[in-house]
Amino acid sequence: SQELEQSPQSLIVQEGKNLTINCTSSKTLYGLYWYKQKYGEGLIFLMMLQKGGEEKSHEKITAKLDEKKQQSSLHITASQPSHAGIYLCGADILGSGTYKYIFGTGTRLKVLA
Amino acid sequence: NAGVTQTPKFRILKIGQSMTLQCTQDMNHNYMYWYRQDPGMGLKLIYYSVGAGITDKGEVPNGYNVSRSTTEDFPLRLELAAPSQTSVYFCASTNHQPGSPLHFGNGTRLTVT
Repeated sequence: SQELEQSPQSLIVQEGKNLTINCTSSKTLYGLYWYKQKYGEGLIFLMMLQKGGEEKSHEKITAKLDEKKQQSSLHITASQPSHAGIYLCGADILGSGTYKYIFGTGTRLKVLA
Repeated sequence: NAGVTQTPKFRILKIGQSMTLQCTQDMNHNYMYWYRQDPGMGLKLIYYSVGAGITDKGEVPNGYNVSRSTTEDFPLRLELAAPSQTSVYFCASTNHQPGSPLHFGNGTRLTVT
């Protein structure tokens, strides 16, 4: 079973539209990270959330972590073709007494010009 | 500042062959991770290490082995390559201090035929 669920799996939007990607876990997230990956390339760190209720923004991207620290959303305002790629949420999940980073299934975003 | 370096970038293996994917980091990070990413999918954790001499299984460890004899190096070994291991492999590291994300290598694209 997937410990981190992302939705939707894929998204196609018209340039200028807003969109939201969700990341959900049944376990408490000790740190929630959002990454972007351009097709065929490595991962780029976007932002990190640690506290329940925390919200961060960078340019047109806003990420929130809910109070229970089990769900995060990534919101893009006025999307542009440069936003296209795969968005991945990653989290610290306590395992075997240490922290292991796991990732969600990813959301493929296409932005039509 | 090199960060996380993976070699090779590309490799084609025949079924049953073995190989080692190299990963080294120069940031003195304790935590290191190996992930695989299948086409259009998110990242699956193979193995991770919280320090020299300590390794632990992730979500998909079967068919792989790792070792961590030094802080800098975390090689991933495939003993008997199978077509199911065709994937892109990413190595990552972190010092796991609050607010610090994973630092990723550029990936190794492996094809097993």
